[in-house]
Amino acid sequence: QVHLQQSGPGLVEPSQTLSLTCAISGDSVSSNSAAWNWIRQSPSRGLEWLGRTYYSSKWNNDYAVSVKSRITINSDTSKNQLSLHLSSVTPEDTAVYYCAKGWLAGGLDCWGQGTVVTVSS
Amino acid sequence: QSALTQPPSASGSPGQSVTISCTGTSSDIGAYNSVSWYQHHPGKAPKLMISQVSKRPSGVPGRFSGSKSGNAASLTVSGLQADDEADYYCSSYGGSNNLLFGGGTKLTVL
Repeated sequence: QVHLQQSGPGLVEPSQTLSLTCAISGDSVSSNSAAWNWIRQSPSRGLEWLGRTYYSSKWNNDYAVSVKSRITINSDTSKNQLSLHLSSVTPEDTAVYYCAKGWLAGGLDCWGQGTVVTVSS
Repeated sequence: QSALTQPPSASGSPGQSVTISCTGTSSDIGAYNSVSWYQHHPGKAPKLMISQVSKRPSGVPGRFSGSKSGNAASLTVSGLQADDEADYYCSSYGGSNNLLFGGGTKLTVL
């Protein structure tokens, strides 16, 4: 049974970097058969896929066009976790952020509990 | 504004069936058999109910079914139960390593 446990601050100041982590149990971040995604949900934008990381001979990352210039998703194999870094945040980045396991075409079959992040001074 | 279009609400009485639609384009839903449906009870993690248009993951009741025609997909919930009351979201692979979501449909069990 895969479990994803998210952590990170709930309040980030404008122009700063939002950083969240997602600890994985029951699977491996470096598995060849899994991709690890970040998604967010806000009243104004609904559900929005932000990006993913996966290992297939090498580490691969894909990012949504809307955040591509500001986002980095990293993996830490020693801690078996992935992280999200979103720079230069504005109040528009206020949302519930989720990590999730799955391939884009096959469905996201396991989600973290969600982290409410507010961008405000 | 979400990339895929869903009705904001749907409802049905216990035991009845309800169908939720999800409309996209020939570049997403119409191009790939990669529509998924998620059930989301507020405050909980979303749950995958249907993948690849019509596949039910292990543990999902057979009352949930999915289909696709052209640029639109549908989720049907048969034999409505009180616990089915939740928000439902569709998603589709959008090409170019991108995932699109619908705006969500609030299902009310009357």
